[in-house]
Amino acid sequence: TQLLEQSPQFLSIQEGENLTVYCNSSSVFSSLQWYRQEPGEGPVLLVTVVTGGEVKKLKRLTFQFGDARKDSSLHITAAQTGDTGLYLCAGFQGAQKLVFGQGTRLTINP
Amino acid sequence: GAGVSQSPSNKVTEKGKDVELRCDPISGHTALYWYRQSLGQGLEFLIYFQGNSAPDKSGLPSDRFSAERTGGSVSTLTIQRTQQEDSAVYLCASSLSPGVTEQFFGPGTRLTVL
Repeated sequence: TQLLEQSPQFLSIQEGENLTVYCNSSSVFSSLQWYRQEPGEGPVLLVTVVTGGEVKKLKRLTFQFGDARKDSSLHITAAQTGDTGLYLCAGFQGAQKLVFGQGTRLTINP
Repeated sequence: GAGVSQSPSNKVTEKGKDVELRCDPISGHTALYWYRQSLGQGLEFLIYFQGNSAPDKSGLPSDRFSAERTGGSVSTLTIQRTQQEDSAVYLCASSLSPGVTEQFFGPGTRLTVL
């Protein structure tokens, strides 16, 4: 059983379209993180959300943390081919143990 | 180098052999983590080091897996009597201190057990 469930697992859209990726759990997290991973590389941290209801923007990416701190979403506006990659959400269990969702593989087609 | 480095980048071994995977964290980072990632999937926590001690080994899949860290720097993950199900990418990450939530990841070691 996955502690963090991401959906969709695969998403292929055309350049210029908008998309949303979801990360859901039945557990409460003190914070959630979103990472992006490209082939042959380790994940790179995009954002950390800490407060329930928090919204953070990173250029065309908008991250939201649910009010109950059990879920999060990543919205990309006007997707570009450079956004292609594996997007991972992760939350801390305790002070140091980071648990990850299974990832969303995003493909942006030109 | 400025980032986390791992070696080897690829390792192919035969079932039953032992393997050692190495991680060099960012200089000055006291916390070090090992994760395992199956093909195209999320990461599975294995073990965490603070300095040379491992307060949390809860993710190690079996007693065939062990890890050590020396000098508060380099860490080695050892898998004994490898099995085909051990095939995965093994990722190492480091952070400045246990209270800092940003972890910096290395590129991983791809292990293939034939």
